[in-house]
Amino acid sequence: QVQLQESGPGLVKPSGTLSLTCAVSGGSIRNNNWWTWVRQPPGKGLEWIGEIYHSGSTKYNPSLESRVTISVDKSKNQFSLKVNSVTAADTAVYYCASGSGSPSARAFDYWGQGTLVTVSS
Amino acid sequence: QSVLTQPPSVSGAPGQRVTISCTGSGSNIGANYDVHWYQQLPGTAPKLLIYGNNNRPSGVPDRFSGSKSGTSASLAITGLQAEDEADYYCQSYDSNLSGSRVFGGGTKLTVL
Repeated sequence: QVQLQESGPGLVKPSGTLSLTCAVSGGSIRNNNWWTWVRQPPGKGLEWIGEIYHSGSTKYNPSLESRVTISVDKSKNQFSLKVNSVTAADTAVYYCASGSGSPSARAFDYWGQGTLVTVSS
Repeated sequence: QSVLTQPPSVSGAPGQRVTISCTGSGSNIGANYDVHWYQQLPGTAPKLLIYGNNNRPSGVPDRFSGSKSGTSASLAITGLQAEDEADYYCQSYDSNLSGSRVFGGGTKLTVL
């Protein structure tokens, strides 16, 4: 059973960079999963940020693509998220998740517990 | 504004049946892409409830079922229980958005 755990600073200054890591346990990051980031602003719905395969292939939400980078570290069995030039609108609970299958049919069957990141000076 | 449209709230009494709709368009649900449903209990991470339109992961009660027709999908919950009170989200794939995964805005289910 794959388990995911997010980590990173809970407070980021405006115009700074948000950086989070998701540790994968109970399975290899080299398996047939796509590794995903989803966020949820306080009191609002879910927003898909992007995803990465262990080969390094990525896919991003077009609305965030210019500010987002997702990377994978196979040696540490983890993947990471960076969001540049953050504003208060980036304040959210950030979840890492994973799913397998074809691009058009993939569901997120494993989720981390989520970590709240607040953008404030 | 979400690509997939859900009602903000639904409610039902214990034992009743409720449905939650998820309306999309020709570039997502209407293009025959799969719809998945997630349950988010208060203060917790989302949990996969239905995948591939109408399949339940192991451990999900058969009180939960999904269906899809045209540009819409639905989640039905029968024999409503107090523990079903949660937020529910639909999710699909959209070919118009560079192959993005899209979520509905979420529906708050209240068990009366």
